[in-house]
Amino acid sequence: QTVVTQEPSLTVSPGGTVTLTCASSTGAVTSGYYPNWFQQKPGQGPRALIYSTSNKHSWTPARFSGYLLGGKAALTLSAVQPEDEAHYYCLLYCGGTQPWVFGGGTKVTVL
Amino acid sequence: QVQLVESGGGVVQPGRSLRLSCTASGFPFGSDAVHWVRQAPGKGLEWVAVISHDGRNEYYADSVRGRFTISIDNSKNILYLQMNSLRAEDTAVYYCTREHTSPKFDSWGQGTLVTVSS
Repeated sequence: QTVVTQEPSLTVSPGGTVTLTCASSTGAVTSGYYPNWFQQKPGQGPRALIYSTSNKHSWTPARFSGYLLGGKAALTLSAVQPEDEAHYYCLLYCGGTQPWVFGGGTKVTVL
Repeated sequence: QVQLVESGGGVVQPGRSLRLSCTASGFPFGSDAVHWVRQAPGKGLEWVAVISHDGRNEYYADSVRGRFTISIDNSKNILYLQMNSLRAEDTAVYYCTREHTSPKFDSWGQGTLVTVSS
């Protein structure tokens, strides 16, 4: 079974920039893994941010960007706002009998 | 407007069964694959199962394969998750979500809580 790894926690100052990554235990993440990114705040369900590596939903703020970086999927938050404090999860298509796998999530603290 | 509403959660004893439902509206139900995702208390998201738009293909997480069954009733726009031989570690909020083109998971339900406890 594929294991998807994210940083457990990151801290960023308001107005700063932070990059989250998403790695697969089977090797480099490519566009064929269709990386999706989700934001989740306490007491709420997941909210989709990015699909297929870099595509934004209509509601995704421009300061969020997704891409591939050094064999991983990455999500960069620029000009971070206090309301960006949340958990962020990546989801990868890994194929096989368990085709989709979530990363463990990254807690982003804005401080 | 796409809407997904889960129901059927509750408290159940270990070893017993429970069936969750997800009622969809606002999109042609038979056009997209639909998934179940769960989240144990204080833990991250875990992908559980997916069924293809036509109901012909099903895939499961290793943790539930052989115990859970996903199905759809396209005539009623309802997705189901039949959960048998429930364990304490199945305690979680269960969400349904659709896999629209690209693929993207743009719509989620509010979740339904399943508690497995004696």
